[in-house]
Amino acid sequence: GAVVSQHPSRVICKSGTSVKIECRSLDFQATTMFWYRQFPKQSLMLMATSNEGSKATYEQGVEKDKFLINHASLTLSTLTVTSAHPEDSSFYICSARGGKTNEKLFFGSGTQLSVL
Amino acid sequence: KNQVEQSPQSLIILEGKNCTLQCNYTVSPFSNLRWYKQDTGRGPVSLTIMTFSENTKSNGRYTATLDADTKQSSLHITASQLSDSASYICVVSPYYGNNRLAFGKGNQVVVIP
Repeated sequence: GAVVSQHPSRVICKSGTSVKIECRSLDFQATTMFWYRQFPKQSLMLMATSNEGSKATYEQGVEKDKFLINHASLTLSTLTVTSAHPEDSSFYICSARGGKTNEKLFFGSGTQLSVL
Repeated sequence: KNQVEQSPQSLIILEGKNCTLQCNYTVSPFSNLRWYKQDTGRGPVSLTIMTFSENTKSNGRYTATLDADTKQSSLHITASQLSDSASYICVVSPYYGNNRLAFGKGNQVVVIP
């Protein structure tokens, strides 16, 4: 079964609304969670890295006020796309890393966001 | 320059045939190297993970090899099936710089009947 649960799998929203995506590690404590964005037939693009209890580190060009990341516990991280616009439409994927030597690295199943 | 280069970028193979995907990396020292399979519209799924001291790791019809001296890894798919059509991604974890994973752009495999 999945060790990282990501919800929702698909969301359609109107322009200007905010969308929250959840990422949960189910059977291990994730000290680090990563958020990616992926366009069709493109590779994963890292948006931000978050460690439990501290502020997320955003990649260059990613607006931190636009993509709010919260990693309040060792099993849950959320990505909120604020005031979404059609150009935010994309496939968003989280991954969680943990274990004694960070050997565990699993991905969520992804969220397809469509902004109308 | 990307720290992880994968080749070929894409390939088409006949069902039942074998294929080998390549991953060359410059990350050094590294902690581990992983191969993932990503179906269209889904998140990547782990196939294998190898530490720097391991040479090979199998998972069913998937066999990964690692040569830490030449900084090369390969993923061999045996007796391909239509369900093997996917993108295969090589990910290298550096020994230092704990958070920074290095991703390849993926090998796009299409298996045709």
